Amino acid sequence: AQSVTQLDSQVPVFEEAPVELRCNYSSSVSVYLFWYVQYPNQGLQLLLKYLSGSTLVKGINGFEAEFNKSQTSFHLRKPSVHISDTAEYFCAVSPLNAGGTSYGKLTFGQGTILTVHP
Amino acid sequence: DTEVTQTPKHLVMGMTNKKSLKCEQHMGHRAMYWYKQKAKKPPELMFVYSYEKLSINESVPSRFSPECPNSSLLNLHLHALQPEDSALYLCASSRSLDNEQFFGPGTRLTVL
Repeated sequence: AQSVTQLDSQVPVFEEAPVELRCNYSSSVSVYLFWYVQYPNQGLQLLLKYLSGSTLVKGINGFEAEFNKSQTSFHLRKPSVHISDTAEYFCAVSPLNAGGTSYGKLTFGQGTILTVHP
Repeated sequence: DTEVTQTPKHLVMGMTNKKSLKCEQHMGHRAMYWYKQKAKKPPELMFVYSYEKLSINESVPSRFSPECPNSSLLNLHLHALQPEDSALYLCASSRSLDNEQFFGPGTRLTVL
């Protein structure tokens, strides 16, 4: 089974400051990793994904994340946040089968609410 | 067309009603998913369809019945729901099981 821990339930930050949202996971098999953002009363939007290759992944809206296999972490970063980044952010994992492909089963962390203050 | 659409946006139903949620995508994706999201919680997977066949059922009660009539459409039939089933129901699709999922805006369901 897989589990995802988002270490901070809420992160307040001032506009134009850098931010890091932390995500650790536990899995007995290899996984794909994702970050999604959810604005109030909306669905989820994919920010970025790690499937294989370079451990530094760049996504939309200036976000990036680094996969650290030894620490089983996938922290999300942005060097300078905007008011419009205020939303809830979810880290998610998808376990791989013996053939190295996904079952399509996503397990989400509890979410981190990012609030950007002017 | 690069989005997943869901209808209705909101639904209020009684415990004896039968209703259906609809999800549609025209991206040529062959995998589709239903998730349930309770307030202030993450989405939880309910069902996975791949090439119109059910591949995962996460032990969902039988009062929820999924249906995939074609590769573009996914329905969730609801019958005899309980108030605790009130939630945001999210649909997602992906090119295949091995690709990232794209989510619709959700249907907010209230069971009275």
